[in-house]
Amino acid sequence: NAGVTQTPKFQVLKTGQSMTLQCAQDMNHEYMSWYRQDPGMGLRLIHYSVGAGITDQGEVPNGYNVSRSTTEDFPLRLLSAAPSQTSVYFCASSYSRKSPLHFGNGTRLTVT
Amino acid sequence: GESVGLHLPTLSVQEGDNSIINCAYSNSASDYFIWYKQESGKGPQFIIDIRSNMDKRQGQRVTVLLNKTVKHLSLQIAATQPGDSAVYFCAEPFAGGTSYGKLTFGQGTILTVHP
Repeated sequence: NAGVTQTPKFQVLKTGQSMTLQCAQDMNHEYMSWYRQDPGMGLRLIHYSVGAGITDQGEVPNGYNVSRSTTEDFPLRLLSAAPSQTSVYFCASSYSRKSPLHFGNGTRLTVT
Repeated sequence: GESVGLHLPTLSVQEGDNSIINCAYSNSASDYFIWYKQESGKGPQFIIDIRSNMDKRQGQRVTVLLNKTVKHLSLQIAATQPGDSAVYFCAEPFAGGTSYGKLTFGQGTILTVHP
């Protein structure tokens, strides 16, 4: 099993550009989520999904869109990148609400 | 608001010592906690979890203790090794009820193990 796979590992964008961060898991987990990690801020929830076709906002959703068309994939879209979105992004999945989250290795995004 | 936080930001130990990392939480309804280890450039890695109906849970070289009276949990690492050097987080991933909720992490404790 590969677990949670995130691509790309690194990305540099110019302000106003759009892109999609990919996340895939092969554990048949219903729960998937996106977090951003900033120095001194810890991990903050952006969006999450409790199953295919179901998504909801987390703590810091502005500027990001998600969709969940399959159980395996949960892409995160930046519609118009801003320097404030410079961060490390982590995707995670879990089997249930009382199971540990499994994290990918992150995408380091820089917006100039 | 409700939070999960850490007492100590850094901890330095000698190889072979036991390490204890502490965490406080404020939501008395919290019923599930997870400890994660994060090495530089990697995602958080699951170490051990504990449910509120337990006071103690042991894994390989790690033990988590939960004190619901004072809303405190700790992670004990036995015979700490240089490979244990990392940032350690306690987390409550499903705050409240049956909703997914927001993942609540503390800032983390930096554990440094000296050979």
